[in-house]
Amino acid sequence: DILMTQTPLSSPVTLGQPASISCRSSHSLVHSDGNTYLSWLQQRPGQPPRLLLYKISNRFSGVPDRFSGSGAGTDFTLKISRVEAEDVGVYYCMQATQFPLTFGGGTKVEIK
Amino acid sequence: EVQLVESGGGLVQPGGSLRLSCAASGFTFSSYVMTWVRQAPGKGLEWVSAISSSGGSTYYADSVKGRFTISRDNSKNTLYLQMNSLRVEDTAVYYCAIKGRIGVAGTNGFDYWGQGTLVIVSS
Repeated sequence: DILMTQTPLSSPVTLGQPASISCRSSHSLVHSDGNTYLSWLQQRPGQPPRLLLYKISNRFSGVPDRFSGSGAGTDFTLKISRVEAEDVGVYYCMQATQFPLTFGGGTKVEIK
Repeated sequence: EVQLVESGGGLVQPGGSLRLSCAASGFTFSSYVMTWVRQAPGKGLEWVSAISSSGGSTYYADSVKGRFTISRDNSKNTLYLQMNSLRVEDTAVYYCAIKGRIGVAGTNGFDYWGQGTLVIVSS
């Protein structure tokens, strides 16, 4: 199984300041089709998760451009350029390159 | 508008069974892989199971293999999860989610999620 490790566990940020979350996989996430199936999801308090980014850096429908993703192979990063109040929640990375699909443990973004 | 509505959760004793349903609308249900993901109270996300668009292929997490069965009825736009031999550690909110298509044009992510249904396994 591919283990997904996120850091930090918690990220207190000031409104308007950037935030960054790292995700590392135990194996390369490059699929045999050449794509890297690394996604980022956001879960606001009391809500189901929602897809933010897919294939490392592609924003899903309706996702603001202050969210961006980067990385390759086994190391990935989610960046929020300027944190807004609505960004509070837990962020998860997820790999869908192979079964079983696995999630990172989550990073809680909160306002200082 | 894509909608996924889970139902069937509730309180069940250890060793008991439950059947969850997920009613889908707003997209071509028969064209997509569907999945179940769960979240124990105060914990992170855990993938549970997935089923191909035709229902011909199924996949399970080791933690539920042999106890849970995923199925779908494309004529009813409904996804199911039959849960047998339930354990206390199966207590969680169970979400159904659409898995995006694999390949250049797809996300291969969990594109849309339902609101979830709570399963509590307790004596």
